[in-house]
Amino acid sequence: LAKTTQPISMDSYEGQEVNITCSHNNIATNDYITWYQQFPSQGPRFIIQGYKTKVTNEVASLFIPADRKSSTLSLPRVSLSDTAVYYCLVGALYGQNFVFGPGTRLSVLP
Amino acid sequence: DAGVTQSPTHLIKTRGQQVTLRCSPKSGHDTVSWYQQALGQGPQFIFQYYEEEERQRGNFPDRFSGHQFPNYSSELNVNALLLGDSALYLCASSAIQGDRNTEAFFGQGTRLTVV
Repeated sequence: LAKTTQPISMDSYEGQEVNITCSHNNIATNDYITWYQQFPSQGPRFIIQGYKTKVTNEVASLFIPADRKSSTLSLPRVSLSDTAVYYCLVGALYGQNFVFGPGTRLSVLP
Repeated sequence: DAGVTQSPTHLIKTRGQQVTLRCSPKSGHDTVSWYQQALGQGPQFIFQYYEEEERQRGNFPDRFSGHQFPNYSSELNVNALLLGDSALYLCASSAIQGDRNTEAFFGQGTRLTVV
């Protein structure tokens, strides 16, 4: 299973764009990259998933370079409610055996 | 759609006892995975069930066992509880489509405290 590395913590201010980069040097050909968000005492919530290039949904964008050894989650115009832990995961078939690292603790300040 | 539901939400047990946690997957999902999340850490994969069988297992001792029922709901059993088993236990469900899983939906978890 590919291991991921991401910053332990980040601070931002309301209204700013936040970019969280994740390294996954050993990603396999059939692995997808998935990001989850978790608030205290709640289960993780799916944010976005991608395989290559760029994926955008209503809450975030995911940028994946051609070599797929890293990815960047972009949160546009964050608000206080975006304060949470963000996990970057790689996985493939039957990919529920995700290896969760410590994640990135994002603090959004007023 | 109720999403993934877990019961109970909180539980206190004594060391050495046994516990059973329950999970109902999101409608349309047939795969259930269980995770253990200690305070301040990321979730750790315990095992995954599909078609009523354990398909994959993480690095957890045999004290941790599970079951999946024909309606896709699942149970996690932990025997001989240790203080270190105190954690948030998360259930995640998904469906297998082609060669991969759909996105996983997590429940709110069961907070287990062992005293």
